Amino acid sequence: DAMVIQNPRYQVTQFGKPVTLSCSQTLNHNVMYWYQQKSSQAPKLLFHYYDKDFNNEADTPDNFQSRRPNTSFCFLDIRSPGLGDAAMYLCATSRGVGDIYEAFFGQGTRLTVV
Amino acid sequence: AQSVTQPDIHITVSEGASLELRCNYSYGATPYLFWYVQSPGQGLQLLLKYFSGDTLVQGIKGFEAEFKRSQSSFNLRKPSVHWSDAAEYFCAVGGTGGSYIPTFGRGTSLIVHP
Repeated sequence: DAMVIQNPRYQVTQFGKPVTLSCSQTLNHNVMYWYQQKSSQAPKLLFHYYDKDFNNEADTPDNFQSRRPNTSFCFLDIRSPGLGDAAMYLCATSRGVGDIYEAFFGQGTRLTVV
Repeated sequence: AQSVTQPDIHITVSEGASLELRCNYSYGATPYLFWYVQSPGQGLQLLLKYFSGDTLVQGIKGFEAEFKRSQSSFNLRKPSVHWSDAAEYFCAVGGTGGSYIPTFGRGTSLIVHP
């Protein structure tokens, strides 16, 4: 009964080779987030969707883009991965309306850049 | 802007001992507060949350946290730690008025000695 599913769990990509990470949810939540988490650091928000409304954090590199074709799916595209982009990427969802803003996380995708 | 401070990077306790992990927040209105736990290589799992009402909240796995507005704190406690509690713990703050996006502290790594 997984609710937020990230694929793949582990991704190895070559320096400069585009890569896409995927996230799906069965919660029908309005909001989907992508966080980047480097070793021993807090998750850092890259961007989020509120329904189809895309919100980019000011310091998210242009190299990172996202797509949300429908409520259930969200993709993170890294156009030209550098060594500094190696990290755990976490997808999360929240209802985003009313009183409950609890975020539900997937298990993450560990990205390695070689 | 909202922010979270977790002053302890590492905490070491013996199995069976009590635990308290510190969290201080900065937020201009009534905050929504969360504690998440992250096991190695995994996503974040919600332990407990505070939205309103009773300032002592109970969570899963025997954890509890107390919201103290006067101290801007939301410390996590457990009376008797088990070896399986060894993990990274993140405090997060979010709220209404458009600030529904959870902001995370840098995390506290819990080490449990047998």
